[in-house]
Amino acid sequence: QVQLQESGPGLVKPSQTLSLTCAVSGGAISNGDHYWSWVRQPPGKGLEWLGNIDSSGSTHYNPSLESRVIMSLDTSKNQLSLRVTSVTAADTAVYYCARGVAFWPYYMDVWGMGTTVTVSS
Amino acid sequence: DIQMTQSPASLSASVGDTVTVTCRASQSISTYLNWYQQKPGKAPKLLISSASSLPSGVPSRFSGRGSGTDFILTINTLQPEDFAVYYCQQTYNTPYTFGQGSKLEIK
Repeated sequence: QVQLQESGPGLVKPSQTLSLTCAVSGGAISNGDHYWSWVRQPPGKGLEWLGNIDSSGSTHYNPSLESRVIMSLDTSKNQLSLRVTSVTAADTAVYYCARGVAFWPYYMDVWGMGTTVTVSS
Repeated sequence: DIQMTQSPASLSASVGDTVTVTCRASQSISTYLNWYQQKPGKAPKLLISSASSLPSGVPSRFSGRGSGTDFILTINTLQPEDFAVYYCQQTYNTPYTFGQGSKLEIK
């Protein structure tokens, strides 16, 4: 059974870089049948898809954050990473990593528990 | 970007009722439409994929239908554990946009 676990600093200062990792257990992130996503949820609000990375490292980012987001895979550690640069209070949210199926209809079937990130000085 | 609009934003119902939630896409997305259920403090859970397919373990009281731009989630015979927020999501094009959510509350 695949499990995902997000981790990272719970507090980030404005203008700094938010860095999170998602450890994957029970399956290899190099498996071409899946892609890996980051989704966030500001307090009391809905879900926002941040982007995908597939097993080859190819990425698709949400244009609303594209210039500030970097996603990567570390196959040696079987984990994925998210970096968001120049953060503001608007980046305060619960951040989820999720596994998607790399074929129609590309749904996300396994989610991590989420990690809360607060942007504040 | 494809905009996803859900209605209603909130609804209240009683155990045993049948409820429907609608999701409309700003352009045709075929059946690249998934539904998720989210309970307070928890991660979203895949409820329905490709507009109408139930993943293993999802109770049969949940059903979905639609294609193109209009989609419906139906929950028959509501159970106490069904009170949650429901999101639709299109995976036709990136960015994979979500609807704003529909909160199902106990009447």
